[in-house]
Amino acid sequence: DVKVTQSSRYLVKRTGEKVFLECVQDMDHENMFWYRQDPGLGLRLIYFSYDVKMKEKGDIPEGYSVSREKKERFSLILESASTNQTSMYLCASHLWGANTEAFFGQGTRLTVV
Amino acid sequence: SQQGEEDPQALSIQEGENATMNCSYKTSINNLQWYRQNSGRGLVHLILIRSNEREKHSGRLRVTLDTSKKSSSLLITASRAADTASYFCATDADGNQFYFGTGTSLTVIP
Repeated sequence: DVKVTQSSRYLVKRTGEKVFLECVQDMDHENMFWYRQDPGLGLRLIYFSYDVKMKEKGDIPEGYSVSREKKERFSLILESASTNQTSMYLCASHLWGANTEAFFGQGTRLTVV
Repeated sequence: SQQGEEDPQALSIQEGENATMNCSYKTSINNLQWYRQNSGRGLVHLILIRSNEREKHSGRLRVTLDTSKKSSSLLITASRAADTASYFCATDADGNQFYFGTGTSLTVIP
């Protein structure tokens, strides 16, 4: 059974903290994504990576960075958490190329207080 | 942004009825996909329709695609209470990125 696993379901952090969200996939997928989901706004792409050590900005990269040191792991970093980064964060992976589906993790609900 | 839009934003129907939701998008695509999200969970892939296809079926799901109008519809027939979820369309333009719509929240009343 294919899997994308996010390290935490729920997370509470304080303003100004550095926050790491981890995502691991076991499908040997090239592409990995981080989305943010807010009510009424749908899923917005923060960053994606199509290979180890490669990263591309999505629609809303400000305040975030990412790291991909190994093919199976893609980390989202909030350098200095702020209350407006309270959200649901979703990681996904995808086999490179057209006409294939994305697989999602279970999501991390982050609250910044 | 290349994000698509679903319509309606929310839909409430009785069990056994059909549910139809629509998706509009902005750019040319390789394919369009529909995903389902149960409350507070990740998304699960339902069906993919390629740009050269007009209609596709999978169980109780029927998807249509009109590339001239840049729109798609998802029909769920004979709905069940377990179909209660949010449904998202996603467009794939280059095989590497997905752009998701804002979602339709479906409630099926037993």
